[in-house]
Amino acid sequence: NAGVTQTPKFQVLKTGQSMTLQCAQDMNHNSMYWYRQDPGMGLRLIYYSASEGTTDKGEVPNGYNVSRLNKREFSLRLESAAPSQTSVYFCASSEALQEDPRRIFGPGTRLTVL
Amino acid sequence: AQSVTQLDSHVSVSEGTPVLLRCNYSSSYSPSLFWYVQHPNKGLQLLLKYTSAATLVKGINGFEAEFKKSETSFHLTKPSAHMSDAAEYFCVVRVSNYQLIWGAGTKLIIKP
Repeated sequence: NAGVTQTPKFQVLKTGQSMTLQCAQDMNHNSMYWYRQDPGMGLRLIYYSASEGTTDKGEVPNGYNVSRLNKREFSLRLESAAPSQTSVYFCASSEALQEDPRRIFGPGTRLTVL
Repeated sequence: AQSVTQLDSHVSVSEGTPVLLRCNYSSSYSPSLFWYVQHPNKGLQLLLKYTSAATLVKGINGFEAEFKKSETSFHLTKPSAHMSDAAEYFCVVRVSNYQLIWGAGTKLIIKP
């Protein structure tokens, strides 16, 4: 039982390059999330997927796309990376939304865009 | 609009002394509130949550938080700090089923 896993752990991109961040969970959770964490700003929600087959925008979706590939996997894609997207990205999952909205977080991906 | 303010960006205490991390929230109704902890280069872990049951909430690792509606506060405390408590702590308020608003974080530094 690995919880939430993310790949890669670190990535350096040049402006304009594209990449996909992968996330998988083995807890049979229905909902999954992508957050970014920037110094002094807490976490901000980029996109979420309430259940398999659905995705919705969060607070800061511009410049990103997501795919809920199946119940386990939720990927985040940067089509044309910009320096403003330098951040630490966390994937999370959760089970029962109304009663217990706690999130289980992955270890994070540290992305630098030059 | 709902918001979360963590009043200190850094808190430094000596090992064995009490810890107080302050959080104020703004909410138009009775909120659900959480504290998460992030150890260096690690993911985030839920410490405790308040969801309108008891106002004093006990969490993991000896932490607890008290919900005070009159003061719109949800401060995190621990009677005696341990070196392993050094981490960043986030106060969080739930806005909807899917949306959480995160405070900016407080770095807790433990002096030997």
